[in-house]
Amino acid sequence: EAQVTQNPRYLITVTGKKLTVTCSQNMNHEYMSWYRQDPGLGLRQIYYSMNVEVTDKGDVPEGYKVSRKEKRNFPLILESPSPNQTSLYFCASSKHGTSGPTVNEQFFGPGTRLTVL
Amino acid sequence: AQKVTQAQTEISVVEKEDVTLDCVYETRDTTYYLFWYKQPPSGELVFLIRRNSFDEQNEISGRYSWNFQKSTSSFNFTITASQVVDSAVYFCALAPSNQGGKLIFGQGTELSVKP
Repeated sequence: EAQVTQNPRYLITVTGKKLTVTCSQNMNHEYMSWYRQDPGLGLRQIYYSMNVEVTDKGDVPEGYKVSRKEKRNFPLILESPSPNQTSLYFCASSKHGTSGPTVNEQFFGPGTRLTVL
Repeated sequence: AQKVTQAQTEISVVEKEDVTLDCVYETRDTTYYLFWYKQPPSGELVFLIRRNSFDEQNEISGRYSWNFQKSTSSFNFTITASQVVDSAVYFCALAPSNQGGKLIFGQGTELSVKP
């Protein structure tokens, strides 16, 4: 089954304790991205990756790191989590367009609900 | 600035009513894409439709229809004969074609369909 998986689905942690949220897709998609969802703000992009070893900042990258060593995986790292990073996090992937600047639909993982105390 | 506005925070209807969710976007790009996603109470995000800026043809898919009007920068979504299973948060999103697939989301509209 084609899917994007995230782990863990729920996480409660304390300020300053490094954590990693994993994301994996089995659709051979080039593009992957992380978003956070907060009430009243919709989803905002944290980081994205156009392909292996190519990553770039989104709108709210502060406090986050990512890496793309393999095509299928795109982990999100919080080196020193703070309470304002309490949020619902989504990983997404999509295939690059085959002609020109096409933007294809993104497939989303199930979400990771993070609470930082 | 690029932006998506969904002015309706919450909408409540009774089953079988028609309901329209509004989406207004801002962009200076001539090439862009618009999307609608559904987020049911279970939390996942479900893709509904993609439309590019050169295709203003309206689309119908079962009880769902979309009205894209470049003149008013709107991409509205109508559910005909709503059902309880339509209860969800609906997001409209804009993707400029030159920004690596980035999605700019609206704030979302929470639709509640009561039996």
